[in-house]
Amino acid sequence: QSALTQPASVSGSPGQSITISCTGTSSDVGSYNFVSWYQQNPGKAPKLLIYEVTKRPSGVSNRFSGSKSGNTASLTISGLQAEDEADYYCSSYAGSSTYVLFGGGTKLTVL
Amino acid sequence: EVQLVQSAAEVKKPGESLKISCKGSGYSFTSYWIGWVRQMPGKGLEWMGIIYPGDSDIRYSPSFQGQVTISVDKSITTAYLQWSSLTASDTAMYYCARKFNNNWYFDYWGQGTLVTVSS
Repeated sequence: QSALTQPASVSGSPGQSITISCTGTSSDVGSYNFVSWYQQNPGKAPKLLIYEVTKRPSGVSNRFSGSKSGNTASLTISGLQAEDEADYYCSSYAGSSTYVLFGGGTKLTVL
Repeated sequence: EVQLVQSAAEVKKPGESLKISCKGSGYSFTSYWIGWVRQMPGKGLEWMGIIYPGDSDIRYSPSFQGQVTISVDKSITTAYLQWSSLTASDTAMYYCARKFNNNWYFDYWGQGTLVTVSS
């Protein structure tokens, strides 16, 4: 099974909104609502941002939101802030043989 | 407070064996799966496998099956990741993380253990 497909990089100015896509297949993203998103700052462990496609853990800003359509999930960050500059990874359950796939990661640059 | 504390960085030679650890605290260790995630230098995250400390049930990613061994010692609330014969391609940061029950995401992560394999 291949990794989920994310754009290598996205950028935006402070205050703008950006969306990061995560494309899988009908065997993973398209079949399960177990899509999650993680933020990773340089030299740090990943941090959970979104789970079950749209849910935010306690403490995560409501500027982060998730959605899914067909085989593609998306993470939207609104009101972009300098502190949002980081790498973002999606993941999805992919069935009882493969278990979980991650996306290749997207580097967000805040201009 | 949930904490996962990993062992220190390791420098090994090709062919050597290695076992790194992840100690959980602040929650019921035997009630949550613990997983391992690899991140090679400058690359993305890769899901390696998970273990349930309650009964040592293990699930490996097909990509890592046979390449590593995941184990646990619930008496000391510690999970392990081990290699019998390292190669240079095992050079990476390895994270342990707690998998939320009845779901497939990791809610708490360790700080990572850097493994460097070089002759």
